[in-house]
Amino acid sequence: QQPVQSPQAVILREGEDAVINCSSSKALYSVHWYRQKHGEAPVFLMILLKGGEQKGHEKISASFNEKKQQSSLYLTASQLSYSGTYFCGTGDTDKLIFGTGTRLQVFP
Amino acid sequence: GAGVSQSPSNKVTEKGKDVELRCDPISGHTALYWYRQSLGQGLEFLIYFQGNSAPDKSGLPSDRFSAERTGGSVSTLTIQRTQQEDSAVYLCASRRTVGELFFGEGSRLTVL
Repeated sequence: QQPVQSPQAVILREGEDAVINCSSSKALYSVHWYRQKHGEAPVFLMILLKGGEQKGHEKISASFNEKKQQSSLYLTASQLSYSGTYFCGTGDTDKLIFGTGTRLQVFP
Repeated sequence: GAGVSQSPSNKVTEKGKDVELRCDPISGHTALYWYRQSLGQGLEFLIYFQGNSAPDKSGLPSDRFSAERTGGSVSTLTIQRTQQEDSAVYLCASRRTVGELFFGEGSRLTVL
């Protein structure tokens, strides 16, 4: 079943923060996060393998709550380069199903 | 190769024709995925190969779609009797058994 992301779209000014949420109706064993820029392939950001674990990548971090079957992606002090569509990916040990996507636009 | 390679990068075909899309994964990657992305939409799972196991075909939208993976490496996605709604970017990705997915640049299919 496809995870649901919220919000569907976010518009930010440079330097502002944003949170993107990913919820699943099924138990989560791992959560992936990817960013896709317009006309390009998705690029890996991070993977979370344990409940409650937080990982970071520069000013982008994420949390994973197994019990709530949710993950959140935190973008701090956003930069123009953060613009793109963000996808979470969840699944069992092998198959990876991506969420509905969140389109993020950062303006100067 | 250094990355996942897909061909053709662009394909225009007439309704009713068959098409084949090719994916060459990163060497040593045992898992291979096909996804479809319609214009402005998300990543729709199609099929997944893992080593010598039977593929997970649960995402294929109809029996016009099929895929093979020969020798545990190159994969071909075949769409028979193409329809206009098949127009999309078809993305291939590979990875070691678990971990990060590496995507190819995609094959853009346009059915007239």
